Amino acid sequence: DQQVKQNSPSLSVQEGRISILNCDYTNSMFDYFLWYKKYPAEGPTFLISISSIKDKNEDGRFTVFLNKSAKHLSLHIVPSQPGDSAVYFCAARNIFGGATNKLIFGTGTLLAVQP
Amino acid sequence: DAMVIQNPRYQVTQFGKPVTLSCSQTLNHNVMYWYQQKSSQAPKLLFHYYDKDFNNEADTPDNFQSRRPNTSFCFLDIRSPGLGDAAMYLCATSRGPDQQFFGPGTRLTVL
Repeated sequence: DQQVKQNSPSLSVQEGRISILNCDYTNSMFDYFLWYKKYPAEGPTFLISISSIKDKNEDGRFTVFLNKSAKHLSLHIVPSQPGDSAVYFCAARNIFGGATNKLIFGTGTLLAVQP
Repeated sequence: DAMVIQNPRYQVTQFGKPVTLSCSQTLNHNVMYWYQQKSSQAPKLLFHYYDKDFNNEADTPDNFQSRRPNTSFCFLDIRSPGLGDAAMYLCATSRGPDQQFFGPGTRLTVL
């Protein structure tokens, strides 16, 4: 049972345009959501997060939107740059996760930004 | 630079031959995690240590064990690797519930 779903395995965008990566979840007990970026041969690196009490969080070119009623979040990258080409993982944390940060990951979306 | 280090980066083992993967950290984080990621799949948490307390995920096979001799090091032992255990193994650390920092991973091949 996949609790965090990224239905688009890949996305191709022109440099300078907006990239929108989508993520859906099924567990209403998730209270915190994160996006990680992964380059080949490297581990995932934290990009941006959002608490379930918010609907938007912005950090430079990156904005995450959360729609709790739809159990949907999205990552917007504006403007997209070739260096943004990577696999993007959506992850969620259960409110009952306790004192640790146990995360449930999606399968990832490979973003290719074309120059 | 503070970081999470995994050794080796690539590991080849034979079917049924025990193998140990290593993770070390200079972040002094109290929580360490091991994830398994198969091709085109989501990273899947195998277990984690909160300080010295070991927490196994319910669906982690008994074939997988872990040791944390001190704050800095954590090992993943696969007692009898099968072909289905070929995957990328990711180690991560966190300070309590704060964000996780990942190592580069170890790619395990089982022949």
